[in-house]
Amino acid sequence: AQTVTQSQPEMSVQEAETVTLSCTYDTSENNYYLFWYKQPPSRQMILVIRQEAYKQQNATENRFSVNFQKAAKSFSLKISDSQLGDTAMYFCAFRMNRDDKIIFGKGTRLHILP
Amino acid sequence: ETGVTQSPTHLIKTRGQQVTLRCSSQSGHNTVSWYQQALGQGPQFIFQYYREEENGRGNFPPRFSGLQFPNYSSELNVNALELDDSALYLCASRARDSLNYGYTFGSGTRLTVV
Repeated sequence: AQTVTQSQPEMSVQEAETVTLSCTYDTSENNYYLFWYKQPPSRQMILVIRQEAYKQQNATENRFSVNFQKAAKSFSLKISDSQLGDTAMYFCAFRMNRDDKIIFGKGTRLHILP
Repeated sequence: ETGVTQSPTHLIKTRGQQVTLRCSSQSGHNTVSWYQQALGQGPQFIFQYYREEENGRGNFPPRFSGLQFPNYSSELNVNALELDDSALYLCASRARDSLNYGYTFGSGTRLTVV
């Protein structure tokens, strides 16, 4: 069975700082996708960044980047130049290629302080 | 503006009752999934529908059922409500042949069972 673990229940950083959210996962599959989703108070789950497991290059989306370590089954999210609007719950998630089911971690509540 | 709309936004039901939650997806999104997000947890996969047929199910009992309609709308029905069914229910959809494997999520229905 696939599992996703986020070891940081809550984090706080000052605006404009860089913050890294940790995620580890467990799977015996070789082909899968990893995601980071953001859930603000509006409750909508918003895709932040996606990584295909077969790609060695780490994904980047503007201020958001990942450190994907396939052998270690680690998938951390780095947010650079953090902004107040980044305050939200962040979920690490996993999906196998052959399946549409997304498996989520328990989330990290991130507070960006002014 | 989200392409997935859920109704109602909040709902209170009594234990033992039945409830229907609704989701309206973007045009062309023929794959829809439903998730249950308990307080302080990550979303858990309930089931998925593709072209009006269920084609994937998580670890939920049969009293959780669904329907998908040709107009890209769908329903989640829960019979014999239990207190533990209190949660945020999220609908997520995507086009089956989409290269973007991140679903578009709605803002959810907050169900409280008393």
